[in-house]
Amino acid sequence: GENVEQHPSTLSVQEGDSAVIKCTYSDSASNYFPWYKQELGKGPQLIIDIRSNVGEKKDQRIAVTLNKTAKHFSLHITETQPEDSAVYFCAASIGGGFQKLVFGTGTRLLVSP
Amino acid sequence: GAVVSQHPSRVICKSGTSVKIECRSLDFQATTMFWYRQFPKQSLMLMATSNEGSKATYEQGVEKDKFLINHASLTLSTLTVTSAHPEDSSFYICSAVVGRAGMDSPLHFGNGTRLTVT
Repeated sequence: GENVEQHPSTLSVQEGDSAVIKCTYSDSASNYFPWYKQELGKGPQLIIDIRSNVGEKKDQRIAVTLNKTAKHFSLHITETQPEDSAVYFCAASIGGGFQKLVFGTGTRLLVSP
Repeated sequence: GAVVSQHPSRVICKSGTSVKIECRSLDFQATTMFWYRQFPKQSLMLMATSNEGSKATYEQGVEKDKFLINHASLTLSTLTVTSAHPEDSSFYICSAVVGRAGMDSPLHFGNGTRLTVT
């Protein structure tokens, strides 16, 4: 079945720096790649997503890139702020649709003021 | 935006009892909902797919008789943990699809239910 690997498991940056989280997936049929932010005690919140026919997508300080050939996708956060501190999960779709997801192992991001 | 509400947010129960968790789509109809389980500091693991008006589809390794799922309406799915044991203690999260499953719609997640079995 689909396997999604995520690195790093923890990431500490200074406020204003950039943060990059990388994921790889195994199923070449995956066609949808969302990123979620999870704060303590809460459910995941969708922050950005990308589909297989697009190589890059940007939304203000957040961007996602996808390399289908290498089966890699990455999350880029620029000008990080303390409120960006949370656990971030990547995910890849399985089964041909957009909703059944396999999640990565998560990255705990800490942004220090 | 689409809102998914889970209730209760926290529940403590004694070993051997059953616990019901509700997942509601507040401002949209959800023909499909998903139930996930998350252990501390771990990722979300898909447990089952809940389809309105039909039986749930369980992932490999998930006991369907222990985790009963009912999706009786387009806005409500319930997960019942039967004869709970301490190893069932976990964070249970539901998600709902806006519109019809398989279409171009993202998932929206509830805020989770922290189950502690003593």
